[in-house]
Amino acid sequence: NAGVTQTPKFRVLKTGQSMTLLCAQDMNHEYMYWYRQDPGMGLRLIHYSVGEGTTAKGEVPDGYNVSRLKKQNFLLGLESAAPSQTSVYFCASSYSWQINYGYTFGSGTRLTVV
Amino acid sequence: SQQGEEDPQALSIQEGENATMNCSYKTSINNLQWYRQNSGRGLVHLILIRSNEREKHSGRLRVTLDTSKKSSSLLITASRAADTASYFCLGSGGSNYKLTFGKGTLLTVNP
Repeated sequence: NAGVTQTPKFRVLKTGQSMTLLCAQDMNHEYMYWYRQDPGMGLRLIHYSVGEGTTAKGEVPDGYNVSRLKKQNFLLGLESAAPSQTSVYFCASSYSWQINYGYTFGSGTRLTVV
Repeated sequence: SQQGEEDPQALSIQEGENATMNCSYKTSINNLQWYRQNSGRGLVHLILIRSNEREKHSGRLRVTLDTSKKSSSLLITASRAADTASYFCLGSGGSNYKLTFGKGTLLTVNP
């Protein structure tokens, strides 16, 4: 089925470890976003991309890096994980940000940093 | 940045009643979208209303948009226990790519 796939779904890291979260979409969408969701905080935008080879910072980019080498993939990296990065991470994509299209979300990655 | 702020933060109703949630945003938009999030899951797109529309229906959902007040409302009629979820609005368009969400409205529908 077409959509946004996030891997892994769950992960436990030790402080200081690194990891990469993968977001893949098969809808030929130009725009992709990474959010984190914490209790009582809603969704906060980490980084986003408006096309292959582009990335930009969102509201809370510190401690994260991203890459969009291929149009269908948007990778979120944690170089040195911290307990404050314990969260649920969601990826989203859209054909266009300003024309009348909705956004498709992945099912999330639950990350715990101990 | 584009934004949506939902009100109230929490709403508890009985099955069969109507639920109304409100959304405010700060800058000009091309459209406003509503999403639902069931506990532990990703957001699901519910309905989109364009800036030149005032009201839109989809099944038991009714959305209104008042661009002069920069506000929208989502009405769910004849609510069901399965409607229990968090609801988010998102205004998009204009000149900023940063799409930011509010904290949502947590709707609880009691059987």
